[in-house]
Amino acid sequence: QKEVEQDPGPLSVPEGAIVSLNCTYSNSAFQYFMWYRQYSRKGPELLMYTYSSGNKEDGRFTAQVDKSSKYISLFIRDSQPSDSATYLCAMSALLNAGGTSYGKLTFGQGTILTVHP
Amino acid sequence: GAGVSQTPSNKVTEKGKYVELRCDPISGHTALYWYRQSLGQGPEFLIYFQGTGAADDSGLPNDRFFAVRPEGSVSTLKIQRTERGDSAVYLCASSLHRVGSGELFFGEGSRLTVL
Repeated sequence: QKEVEQDPGPLSVPEGAIVSLNCTYSNSAFQYFMWYRQYSRKGPELLMYTYSSGNKEDGRFTAQVDKSSKYISLFIRDSQPSDSATYLCAMSALLNAGGTSYGKLTFGQGTILTVHP
Repeated sequence: GAGVSQTPSNKVTEKGKYVELRCDPISGHTALYWYRQSLGQGPEFLIYFQGTGAADDSGLPNDRFFAVRPEGSVSTLKIQRTERGDSAVYLCASSLHRVGSGELFFGEGSRLTVL
C-alpha cells in the first residue's frame, strides 16, 4: 500500500463547477501538506501549502487537512478551463530535530482534471 | 534565468549507455532536489543537496545513479548502464534553505527514454 493514495480520475466538470480533490495517507508523521498543479509537459507548481490541520483559502482555492482522519482536500470554486491540469497532493514529515524540514516530499499519483466550457 | 533550467529537455538513449542530466537552479537557492516521475505517477524523491553536499540520497534506486553539485549551484544527475525501466521524466527543484518543506520550484524536467 502506498503512503499517499490519490484517485487518478480523470475528472471532467463543466465550467463554473465546484471541484473536490482528495488524498488519504498512512504516515502519521506527515505534518506539511501541499497541493501542486502540473500542466502537460511542465513541472509541478505549488498551489497551496498547509502546516498541520485546518483550512486555508487563497482566492478560488481552499485546502483542508484533517490529521485525525489522515485526509486532505482541495476545493476549486468557479472552475475555469484554465484549471485543466493534473493536481498532485504532496506531504512531508518534520525531518530535522532542530525544527526545520526540507523538501523530501511524498506525492500522490495525481488527479487529471478537465474543465470544459 | 528566472526559473529552474534543465537540459536536455528530451534524451533518447540505448540500453546500457551512460546519461547525464543537468539542472541549473534559481539563483540564490541553496537547496536542490532531484525527483523522478514515471508516466501516470507522482514525482518520487531521489536526492537532496544542501550546498555542495548530498544531505539525503535515500531515494536513489541503486548504484547506477549518482548526482553531484560541485560548486553549490548547477547539479548533474548521472545514470550508468541505463535500463528501460529508467525511462521517466527527471525533475529538478530548488528552494531557499529553511523556508518550509513545500516551497519547491520545479523545472520542466528532462524526459529520458531508454530503448
